[in-house]
Amino acid sequence: KNEVEQSPQNLTAQEGEFITINCSYSVGISALHWLQQHPGGGIVSLFMLSSGKKKHGRLIATINIQEKHSSLHITASHPRDSAVYICAVRRTSYDKVIFGPGTSLSVIP
Amino acid sequence: DTEVTQTPKHLVMGMTNKKSLKCEQHMGHRAMYWYKQKAKKPPELMFVYSYEKLSINESVPSRFSPECPNSSLLNLHLHALQPEDSALYLCASSQATGANYGYTFGSGTRLTVV
Repeated sequence: KNEVEQSPQNLTAQEGEFITINCSYSVGISALHWLQQHPGGGIVSLFMLSSGKKKHGRLIATINIQEKHSSLHITASHPRDSAVYICAVRRTSYDKVIFGPGTSLSVIP
Repeated sequence: DTEVTQTPKHLVMGMTNKKSLKCEQHMGHRAMYWYKQKAKKPPELMFVYSYEKLSINESVPSRFSPECPNSSLLNLHLHALQPEDSALYLCASSQATGANYGYTFGSGTRLTVV
C-alpha cells in the first residue's frame, strides 16, 4: 500500500463543475502540499497545509489531521484547470516529501 | 524574485557526453533539492542540499553528480548517462529543511539521452 494515495486517478469534468480531489496518507506528517503540473511542465505549488483550510481564488484545500485526509476543491472549473494535481506530504521524522500518484483532471468546455 | 529558474529547459545528449543542469534561486532559501520524474509518475527525490552541504543522497548512481557552489545555485553534472535516464529533472528550494517550510519548484529540464 502506498503511503500517499489519491482519488480519483482520472477525472473529466464539464466547464463550471465543482471538482473534488482526495488525498489520504498513512504516515505522520508535518505538512501537506497540493501541487499542479501541466503536461510536459514544471510543478506549481498551490497550497501547503498543516491544519484547517486554505483558499486561493477558486481553489480550496482542507486537511483533517486525525483522519489523515485532505481534499482539494475547484469551484467553477475551467479548461485551463486541466492538469495533474499531486498531493505530497512532508514526514515528521525525515526531511523527505512523499508524492501521491497524481490525479489527472481534464475540464471540457 | 520568487522563482526557481532551471536551465536549459530541454537537453538532448549522447551517452558519452558530459553536460550540466543548472538551478538558481534568489529567495534566500538554504535548502535545495533535485528530483527526477518519469512520464506519468510522481517525482522521485535524488539529492538534498542544506546550507550548501549534501545532506541526502537517495542512492543515486555516480553518473549523476550534484554540486552546490553557493547558496543560490545548484548544479547537476551528468556523465555517461543511459537512455533510461531520460526524464524531467526538477529542482526545488525551501527556506530550510525543517518540516514547516513549503517548496518552490522550478519548471524542470526535460532530458533526452540518445
